[in-house]
Amino acid sequence: ELKVEQNPLFLSMQEGKNYTIYCNYSTTSDRLYWYRQDPGKSLESLFVLLSNGAVKQEGRLMASLDTKARLSTLHITAAVHDLSATYFCAVDNFGNEKLTFGTGTRLTIIP
Amino acid sequence: DTAVSQTPKYLVTQMGNDKSIKCEQNLGHDTMYWYKQDSKKFLKIMFSYNNKELIINETVPNRFSPKSPDKAHLNLHINSLELGDSAVYFCASSKRQGASEQYFGPGTRLTVT
Repeated sequence: ELKVEQNPLFLSMQEGKNYTIYCNYSTTSDRLYWYRQDPGKSLESLFVLLSNGAVKQEGRLMASLDTKARLSTLHITAAVHDLSATYFCAVDNFGNEKLTFGTGTRLTIIP
Repeated sequence: DTAVSQTPKYLVTQMGNDKSIKCEQNLGHDTMYWYKQDSKKFLKIMFSYNNKELIINETVPNRFSPKSPDKAHLNLHINSLELGDSAVYFCASSKRQGASEQYFGPGTRLTVT
């Protein structure tokens, strides 16, 4: 069974700092997604990573995928308060036609 | 225009009751899903339909019954509600069968008292 782990589960950081959220998964996959969820809201798609070595950037967020290491990272550069949210990675369980979500990382940016 | 919509947004009901949640997508997608998000924010798939056909049926009590009258709609009916059913239920859709980028509805917060 595919397991998807994120760390840290909780992250409190100051504005202006850089940090990385890690997403590890247990079986072969070459498709990974990052979502953002604000408190009491729905999930918003951030990045779609479809191959080994894929890198996507949007504003202060950059996501990458290493399928050999079974690892994706979400890097935050010069954090701002608006980035406070819970971030989920989700992995395509190859051939199983469903996404398995990670545990989520609750990010709080402190002014 | 709302891409994936759900009704109701909030649902408070007593144990033992039967309730339904409705979902509609106007994206022209073929595949729709139901997810449950528990109090710890853990998100788990319950069902998936592709063109009205049931594709994924995870280990979910048979009190939960999805119905897809057409590919734009996927409803969730829950019988004999229990306290443990309290959660946020999200509907989602994607272009095709097989995991691909999914678009989520606003969620329905179900509270069973």
